[in-house]
Amino acid sequence: DIQMTQSPSSLSASVGDRVTITCRASQSINSYLNWYQQKPGKAPKLLIHGASSLQSGVPSRFSGSGSGTDFTLTISSLQPEDSATYYCQQSNSTPWTFGLGTKVEIK
Amino acid sequence: EVQLVESGGGLVQPGGSLRLSCAASGFTFSSYAMSWVRQAPGKGLEWVSAIISSGVNTFYADSVKGRFTISRDNSKNTLYLQMNSLRADDTAVYYCARGLSGSYCPFDYWGQGTLVTVSS
Repeated sequence: DIQMTQSPSSLSASVGDRVTITCRASQSINSYLNWYQQKPGKAPKLLIHGASSLQSGVPSRFSGSGSGTDFTLTISSLQPEDSATYYCQQSNSTPWTFGLGTKVEIK
Repeated sequence: EVQLVESGGGLVQPGGSLRLSCAASGFTFSSYAMSWVRQAPGKGLEWVSAIISSGVNTFYADSVKGRFTISRDNSKNTLYLQMNSLRADDTAVYYCARGLSGSYCPFDYWGQGTLVTVSS
């Protein structure tokens, strides 16, 4: 199985800050990398697919980059509503595995 | 509006069985692959199983292979997960999710989840 490692596991940042979350795959997954946002008690929401494609309706302050094994999710200007846990997921091969998540808190 | 509504969760004893359902609306259900994803309390996400739009092909995580069966009834716009030989570590919120643009993964719409608790 492909292991997905996210860092950091949590972070605290101020409104307006630029926030970066990284995700590393245990082997190359090309660009088959997705990012989800999950708020407490809610279902996950797809933010980015194919490493860098913004899902319809997602604010443009979210962006993704990377290929192969190393990927990044960037929030260009953190907003209060961005407080959530973010998960990366590889869709290169089954089982489609997720990272353990990064909890983003607002200072 | 796309809607996925899970049902069938509850408390079950170890070794027992449960069948989850996911009622879909707002899109052509028969055109989309579907998956089940679970989340143990306070933990991360784990993909469980997927099924192609026609229902012919299915996939399972090793942790549930041989115990869980995914199926669908396209005439009823409903996805199912039959769970047998349940164990304590199957305790989780179970989400159904739709594959993006007809692919298996990623998942662009999710249900609200149904809680399965395996305990004596």
